Amino acid sequence: DTAVSQTPKYLVTQMGNDKSIKCEQNLGHDTMYWYKQDSKKFLKIMFSYNNKELIINETVPNRFSPKSPDKAHLNLHINSLELGDSAVYFCASSHANIKNTDTQYFGPGTRLTVL
Amino acid sequence: QKEVEQNSGPLSVPEGAIASLNCTYSDRGSQSFFWYRQYSGKSPELIMSIYSNGDKEDGRFTAQLNKASQYVSLLIRDSQPSDSATYLCAVLSGGSYIPTFGRGTSLIVHP
Repeated sequence: DTAVSQTPKYLVTQMGNDKSIKCEQNLGHDTMYWYKQDSKKFLKIMFSYNNKELIINETVPNRFSPKSPDKAHLNLHINSLELGDSAVYFCASSHANIKNTDTQYFGPGTRLTVL
Repeated sequence: QKEVEQNSGPLSVPEGAIASLNCTYSDRGSQSFFWYRQYSGKSPELIMSIYSNGDKEDGRFTAQLNKASQYVSLLIRDSQPSDSATYLCAVLSGGSYIPTFGRGTSLIVHP
């Protein structure tokens, strides 16, 4: 059974378009995250979200917005795509604030290429 | 700003040797420490977590934590070519549930 799933796996699009990446977890976790991994493999947090709060990395452009229809889903919407948005985007989930169960479980990643 | 530093490598070791991966962190309030392994084109997966000073062993892997020196390491004994991957160090500060990741160390185990 897939624990954290993302769709699509690959996304190729033109500059200026708007796109979404979907994420679902079936682990019963209370917190979900979006990370961006650039070409140098640096994994950078973009958002974390549970039913109480949304924490946004202040360096993330407001063209990026998370949407959570329910506890098991956290989708990422990107408006007006730019060349620099090309990267691999990982969704993750965890039990937040519970020591020894705070492991991050990652989805398979979505490779976004902006042309 | 919380920082987690790793040597990007690549670290190259022969098969059967001990691979030693190191990580330093800036926040003295850090309480949870993790090592993730990421194969090329795949997502990170947890190898070890450690919360107290000292060593923690799991099979061929040993995590070592020294909070006074703000240092955490991962030892891989009897390295295998299948261990070739990027190893990411992640640190959680007290009161936060968002980890800070290092840039990762690329490990190459050659036959």
